[in-house]
Amino acid sequence: AQTVTQSQPEMSVQEAETVTLSCTYDTSESDYYLFWYKQPPSRQMILVIRQEAYKQQNATENRFSVNFQKAAKSFSLKISDSQLGDAAMYFCAYRSVLFSSGSARQLTFGSGTQLTVLP
Amino acid sequence: NAGVTQTPKFQVLKTGQSMTLQCAQDMNHNSMYWYRQDPGMGLRLIYYSASEGTTDKGEVPNGYNVSRLNKREFSLRLESAAPSQTSVYFCASSEQTGAYYGYTFGSGTRLTVV
Repeated sequence: AQTVTQSQPEMSVQEAETVTLSCTYDTSESDYYLFWYKQPPSRQMILVIRQEAYKQQNATENRFSVNFQKAAKSFSLKISDSQLGDAAMYFCAYRSVLFSSGSARQLTFGSGTQLTVLP
Repeated sequence: NAGVTQTPKFQVLKTGQSMTLQCAQDMNHNSMYWYRQDPGMGLRLIYYSASEGTTDKGEVPNGYNVSRLNKREFSLRLESAAPSQTSVYFCASSEQTGAYYGYTFGSGTRLTVV
């Protein structure tokens, strides 16, 4: 079974600064997807960025980018030019590419990092 | 498109009461999931349904039952609620064959058992 670990329960950043959220995972699979989800106070889960394991190039989405280190099983999220609206809980998640009978390729989540953005 | 709709959004139950959380999706997704979210523990899978007509246990199934009523609907039932089931519950759906797509989530149900 896969596990996902987020070792930073809380982080804070000054508005307009850069912050990096850490995530490590454990798997024996060679191909998989990794995701970062954002959960603002509204509780809605919002997909921020995704990375496929076989792609060496790090994914970027506007101010959000990842540092994917496959050998180290590390998948950190960098938020540049932080904005007040970035304040939220952030979850790292893993999803297998393999599909077997009865499997629904469920997402495995980390415990989350609460990000505070200071004005 | 409504996406994934969960009802109710909030609920307070007394210990021992039963209730059903409803979930429906309009995206023609094959797979549906129920998670619970607790502080410091992230989201943990309760039950899932890979396709219509199948259901399987996840990480924390004790005290819950599910029904995949049809392709659109996947309900979660608490037969005898306990304070340990106080949590936020999320329903989600995804394409069975598209790991790339992650999930589409409902807006969650905050359940308090007193």
